[in-house]
Amino acid sequence: RKEVEQDPGPFNVPEGATVAFNCTYSNSASQSFFWYRQDCRKEPKLLMSVYSSGNEDGRFTAQLNRASQYISLLIRDSKLSDSATYLCVVRDTGRRALTFGSGTRLQVQP
Amino acid sequence: AAGVIQSPRHLIKEKRETATLKCYPIPRHDTVYWYQQGPGQDPQFLISFYEKMQSDKGSIPDRFSAQQFSDYHSELNMSSLELGDSALYFCASSNPWGSPDTQYFGPGTRLTVL
Repeated sequence: RKEVEQDPGPFNVPEGATVAFNCTYSNSASQSFFWYRQDCRKEPKLLMSVYSSGNEDGRFTAQLNRASQYISLLIRDSKLSDSATYLCVVRDTGRRALTFGSGTRLQVQP
Repeated sequence: AAGVIQSPRHLIKEKRETATLKCYPIPRHDTVYWYQQGPGQDPQFLISFYEKMQSDKGSIPDRFSAQQFSDYHSELNMSSLELGDSALYFCASSNPWGSPDTQYFGPGTRLTVL
């Protein structure tokens, strides 16, 4: 079982739609949580860090539930440019390494 | 703003050859990380360096070695290349003053082993 699990999708949504991605992690010692975005054949780019209190950045809202070991990302008013793979990422206590989920692919359609 | 620089961007090698990948972190970043992303896979952590010392180790094969130099750039040396080593190799860097958790990724080196 992978340490970070995501639904691979693809999620095909029309422009303007709201879409939510979920992620679970298995290591209760995980300390830091992120959503990265990766376009095809390009490097992962940090979308946002995820905090226990939840955080919002424009159209993007991330939530963390430590008790359930569950992370979510909500994208409102989807744009064509949001089409990408969204990677759920955790960092374990005492480690420098990031552990990536397999990613959820989003395709926003006109 | 300056980003992580990796060279070369593309590399083609034959089986059993050696390869050296280079990474230049963002200025004033003292930690570098190496990740391998195979076709259709998620990035897998290989190794990291902080202040020129190995700080964490992941699934790096014994055929690979890496180091960080006094100017903080890092090199990943790969020997006895195998077909399965064909992948995107990303370097990332972070700094101790900002958010130390935040890793910024370079554009990657695409290695093809024939």
